[in-house]
Amino acid sequence: DQQVKQNSPSLSVQEGRISILNCDYTNSMFDYFLWYKKYPAEGPTFLISISSIKDKNEDGRFTVFLNKSAKHLSLHIVPSQPGDSAVYFCAASADSNSGYALNFGKGTSLLVTP
Amino acid sequence: DGGITQSPKYLFRKEGQNVTLSCEQNLNHDAMYWYRQDPGQGLRLIYYSQIVNDFQKGDIAEGYSVSREKKESFPLTVTSAQKNPTAFYLCASALNEKLFFGSGTQLSVL
Repeated sequence: DQQVKQNSPSLSVQEGRISILNCDYTNSMFDYFLWYKKYPAEGPTFLISISSIKDKNEDGRFTVFLNKSAKHLSLHIVPSQPGDSAVYFCAASADSNSGYALNFGKGTSLLVTP
Repeated sequence: DGGITQSPKYLFRKEGQNVTLSCEQNLNHDAMYWYRQDPGQGLRLIYYSQIVNDFQKGDIAEGYSVSREKKESFPLTVTSAQKNPTAFYLCASALNEKLFFGSGTQLSVL
């Protein structure tokens, strides 16, 4: 039962434009959300996160927006660069009982073309 | 330098064989995790440990076993009961809600 959903398996964007990656979740107990970036045959690296008490968090070219009522979050990358090409995973955690074990979406493969 | 080390990078298992994947961290994190990634899939939780000598099953623990005898180490054994072991295995440790991952082990069946 997928509690975190990334409905777009892939996205292609031109260099310099905005990339918008979307994520939906079903569990209303999720209170912390993260985005990870992953290259093939490597471990995911943390990109940006947001707590459920906020609706926006910005870090350089990366901004995450959270809409709790819609159970939706999005990652904006502006401007997109070829080095941003990777698979992006959305993840969420519910409580400390599972030691912050994260629930992951299936990922969105982003391709930034020159 | 600090980090999470997984070994080996590639591992092959024969039918009926148990294999053990190593995960070591020097970040002094209490919590550690094992995830499995299949092509086109997200990461699924196998086991996690919040403290030494304690661990819990995740969503897909069947066919796997773990131990946590030291804070730094959280090895995963893929037993012969795991009928579909071919996957990319990721170990992580946590600082609060943020997980830090190793570089992964690709396990394949001969």
